[in-house]
Amino acid sequence: EAGVTQSPTHLIKTRGQQATLRCSPISGHTSVYWYQQALGLGLQFLLWYDEGEERNRGNFPPRFSGRQFPNYSSELNVNALELEDSALYLCASSFRGGDEKLFFGSGTQLSVL
Amino acid sequence: RKEVEQDPGPFNVPEGATVAFNCTYSNSASQSFFWYRQDCRKEPKLLMSVYSSGNEDGRFTAQLNRASQYISLLIRDSKLSDSATYLCVVNRPIYNQGGKLIFGQGTELSVKP
Repeated sequence: EAGVTQSPTHLIKTRGQQATLRCSPISGHTSVYWYQQALGLGLQFLLWYDEGEERNRGNFPPRFSGRQFPNYSSELNVNALELEDSALYLCASSFRGGDEKLFFGSGTQLSVL
Repeated sequence: RKEVEQDPGPFNVPEGATVAFNCTYSNSASQSFFWYRQDCRKEPKLLMSVYSSGNEDGRFTAQLNRASQYISLLIRDSKLSDSATYLCVVNRPIYNQGGKLIFGQGTELSVKP
């Protein structure tokens, strides 16, 4: 069974550009979570989607947004990139909303130059 | 005060040593607790859930003290392969939404030959 897959693995952008990160959850999982992990820091909660709807978001500006598609895959968009957005972006899925056993993808390393 | 606080690292121990990690959480309404393991710049993986009665999985023992809002992880007979960052994870209840997981900063463990 395939795990959580994320693409691309690495992404290099310049300040002011937009980045799109993608995530496919484990088959049968309906919830997708996005976390940011800056170098040397812990995971910071970004967004939670379940059954196609945004259920919760963390303390991030509105230029961080996303969506979940009918097949439960998800996209994270970051507009007007800033240098401090450089981080590892991790996607996780769970069997259902509120199910707290998360399975993570290997992440997208975003570098903003 | 951070919602989830862990011992600062790194912990450098010889093979065969016993090592303990501590974690405190601030939200007394939290109901679910976990330890995740993260290898260098890879995705976190669930190590074990933490139950009120304490639980053991081979060389790993997790304890929860609700009164003190304190969680611990004990690793006995450390192996080189135990070298990783250990993340304390606590659920933040959200009314009618199941809640979301808050990750601690992590404690780095390095097991030396």
